[in-house]
Amino acid sequence: DIQMTQSPSSLSASVGDRVTITCRASQTIINYLNWYQQKPGKAPRLLIYGTSSLQSGVPSRFSGSGSGTDFTLTISSLQPEDSATYYCQQSHSTPFTFGPGTKVEIK
Amino acid sequence: QLQMQESGSGLVKPSQTLSLTCAVSGGSISTDGYSWSWIRQPPGKGLEWIGYIFHSGSTYYNPSLKSRVTISVDRSKNQFSLKLSSVTAADTAVYYCARNGDYTGLDYWGRGTLVTVSS
Repeated sequence: DIQMTQSPSSLSASVGDRVTITCRASQTIINYLNWYQQKPGKAPRLLIYGTSSLQSGVPSRFSGSGSGTDFTLTISSLQPEDSATYYCQQSHSTPFTFGPGTKVEIK
Repeated sequence: QLQMQESGSGLVKPSQTLSLTCAVSGGSISTDGYSWSWIRQPPGKGLEWIGYIFHSGSTYYNPSLKSRVTISVDRSKNQFSLKLSSVTAADTAVYYCARNGDYTGLDYWGRGTLVTVSS
């Protein structure tokens, strides 16, 4: 199985800050990397697919980059509604696997 | 707008079989290019992908659960189902159904249903 790691595991930032979350795969996944946002008690929501493609309806302050084994999710200007846990997921090889999550809090 | 809704038993006794169904509305489960997945999340923990099925009936299961999992599809009812046998407390989780595009990730999700394994 491809193992996914994320850093940091949690962060606290102010409204308007630029936030970056890193995701690393245990082997190359080319660009088959997706990002999800999950709020408490809710299902995950797809933000980014294929490393950098923005899902319809997702604000443009979210962006993704990377290739191979190292990927990032960036929130260019953090908003109060961005308080959530963020997961990366590889769809290169079955079984598809998720990262452990990064909890983003607003200061 | 595609909608997905899980239903099934919320409480299952140890050693018994967990059964859930995901009803799909606003779109056809027979659309090419998509598979239909089950994912679970134990309370306070991360996400685990269980497996998926195509409308043809072809399936793939996570090897960690393969011996206990069956996913099936009913195209006439536009729904797919999950059965997980010989459950233990470790199978207590919120179970989600979701649509998976070939290159577009898990783009639609159900709200999730909590299944508790307890006697």
